[in-house]
Amino acid sequence: AQSVTQLGSHVSVSEGALVLLRCNYSSSVPPYLFWYVQYPNQGLQLLLKYTSAATLVKGINGFEAEFKKSETSFHLTKPSAHMSDAAEYFCAVSGPGGFKTIFGAGTRLFVKA
Amino acid sequence: IAGITQAPTSQILAAGRRMTLRCTQDMRHNAMYWYRQDLGLGLRLIHYSNTAGTTGKGEVPDGYSVSRANTDDFPLTLASAVPSQTSVYFCASSEGTNNSPLHFGNGTRLTVT
Repeated sequence: AQSVTQLGSHVSVSEGALVLLRCNYSSSVPPYLFWYVQYPNQGLQLLLKYTSAATLVKGINGFEAEFKKSETSFHLTKPSAHMSDAAEYFCAVSGPGGFKTIFGAGTRLFVKA
Repeated sequence: IAGITQAPTSQILAAGRRMTLRCTQDMRHNAMYWYRQDLGLGLRLIHYSNTAGTTGKGEVPDGYSVSRANTDDFPLTLASAVPSQTSVYFCASSEGTNNSPLHFGNGTRLTVT
């Protein structure tokens, strides 16, 4: 069975500071990992996905994530937070065929001026 | 603009009533999904469809039914709504291949009184 754990339901950073959102996964097969972002009153949008071609994955809006198999982690980072980054972020894992994608509980990012 | 259309955007429903949430996609994706989003729980899969004519149960299928008569439409029916079904419902689609991401609609906010 697959599962995802996001550490911290809320993260607050100052504008310009490093953003780090943590995600650990559990999967009995090679995982397909994703990060999505949700802005208020909208559906989720894909930020980035792990494709096994490279352990460091770059996404939209300056975000990136590093796949660490030994730590079963896929943490999301951004060097410098912007006010527009305030949103909820979801880590997700899916199995072969992409079916039954499982989501973490989400981390709400607050960015202070 | 290609994407997923959900209707209605919001609904207040009396307990015991029947309700169908509509979802249409124009991307010709094979797979479609229904998730519910509840505070602190992230997104939980209700039902999914790998291709037209087939459906499957997700994590929380009780009280819900779906059908997939064609590629584009994937309605979700609550036969007899209960207050615990108060939630935000998201329809999503994907190509259904390994590591294909989900594309989401903007959601339906349902309140069962």
